[in-house]
Amino acid sequence: GAGVSQSPSNKVTEKGKDVELRCDPISGHTALYWYRQSLGQGLEFLIYFQGNSAPDKSGLPSDRFSAERTGGSVSTLTIQRTQQEDSAVYLCASSPQRGRETQYFGPGTRLLVL
Amino acid sequence: DAKTTQPTSMDCAEGRAANLPCNHSTISGNEYVYWYRQIHSQGPQYIIHGLKNNETNEMASLIITEDRKSSTLILPHATLRDTAVYYCIVREGYGGATNKLIFGTGTLLAVQP
Repeated sequence: GAGVSQSPSNKVTEKGKDVELRCDPISGHTALYWYRQSLGQGLEFLIYFQGNSAPDKSGLPSDRFSAERTGGSVSTLTIQRTQQEDSAVYLCASSPQRGRETQYFGPGTRLLVL
Repeated sequence: DAKTTQPTSMDCAEGRAANLPCNHSTISGNEYVYWYRQIHSQGPQYIIHGLKNNETNEMASLIITEDRKSSTLILPHATLRDTAVYYCIVREGYGGATNKLIFGTGTLLAVQP
C-alpha cells in the first residue's frame, strides 16, 4: 500500500525566503510527526499532531517554524525567513493511534538554504 | 537527550549474524526498547520493539537482558542491503504521553562483502 509521501523531495531557496513542505500520511493514520535531520546529526523532533487535539509544538526551534494539519490528513510545515542553519532533511512520519504502533517515515524533503 | 548508548560503528561480514548492542541503564518499567534503521538517503524504517521478553520478526531478533538495562539487535544473516545506521530508542509504550522518538547517534553497520 501507499506509504508516507512528502513533497518536494528537494528544495533550494535563498536566505530570507519562506518555504512550505508537505506531508501526506498513510490513510487512516491519526498521528503525524515532523522531524528534521541536519547534516551528520541525528533526528530531531519538531511537532506532533494527534487527531483534533492541540499539537505538541515543543520541538519547534523558533517562531519562524509552524505547521498545520488540515482535515486530519495532509500536513504542511512552513519555515519563514529561512536561514542557512535551516538546511536539513525534513522527515514526516505517521502512526495509527496516539502512543501506539510504530511510526512510518516518509522519504524526507532535502532543504538547502543558500 | 537520548536515553541510550550505542557503539558508533560496527563491521559485519556478509552472511554472518550482526549483533548490535545498546545500553539503556535508566530505562523505566513502562518504557519499551525500539529499533529503527536508516539506510542512506532514506527515512528511518521500523525494525522491532520489545518490553522485557525477547522478540523475533521477519527482519530481526531482539534480546533484552533480564534487568532490562541493555539489549542486542540481531540480524541473523546480514546482507549488503543491511548497511545502515541503526538506532536504539527507549520510549513509553501504549497510551504514554510522550509519543515522539528521541534518536541518538546510532550505530553505523557496514556489511562487508
